Amino acid sequence: GQQVMQIPQYQHVQEGEDFTTYCNSSTTLSNIQWYKQRPGGHPVFLIQLVKSGEVKKQKRLTFQFGEAKKNSSLHITATQTTDVGTYFCAGRSNQFYFGTGTSLTVIP
Amino acid sequence: NAGVTQTPKFRVLKTGQSMTLLCAQDMNHEYMYWYRQDPGMGLRLIHYSVGEGTTAKGEAPDGYNVSRLKKQNFLLGLESAAPSQTSVYFCASSRTVGRTEAFFGQGTRLTVV
Repeated sequence: GQQVMQIPQYQHVQEGEDFTTYCNSSTTLSNIQWYKQRPGGHPVFLIQLVKSGEVKKQKRLTFQFGEAKKNSSLHITATQTTDVGTYFCAGRSNQFYFGTGTSLTVIP
Repeated sequence: NAGVTQTPKFRVLKTGQSMTLLCAQDMNHEYMYWYRQDPGMGLRLIHYSVGEGTTAKGEAPDGYNVSRLKKQNFLLGLESAAPSQTSVYFCASSRTVGRTEAFFGQGTRLTVV
């Protein structure tokens, strides 16, 4: 079954609001990756986190890896319409699993 | 600078028909994967390959077969298509498993009627 769960499944925000998606694993992960899939497109790699408690930023995006390496989050500050899409986490334990994804809609 | 290329991009099959999806990568990656994407289910791994001549089952292998005769190609076959196989199929490749980024193809939208 699915090893990596994401919440929420869907999120609608007004442009300018913040957005956060959470990724939770039942097992300890050696690392976690985040991907973005634009509507009608394919997943594209955003970033990888490896260390416990690691925080990385890409412009308005902040990625965190939990201290126990079982969870992660992606936070977008002041969303823009270009942020629309589905965000997936993907974690590696004994195998490599993609999360269920969070679909973000940004209302102009 | 092709990356990962999938063919075809769209296909409609009748129940019971067979077809093969082709994935080609030009990055000399050892690892290749086939995923299916269904609403609310994320990306489910069908089969994967850790090198030329090797294949292994993922979490959703039933009804599919694969082959990796050449390092750059990974084929996904449906011997007898069923409506439950209506989905978007993505091929991906990577240099390592889960430690480096995976590169995805553009996807194949398959409808089985």
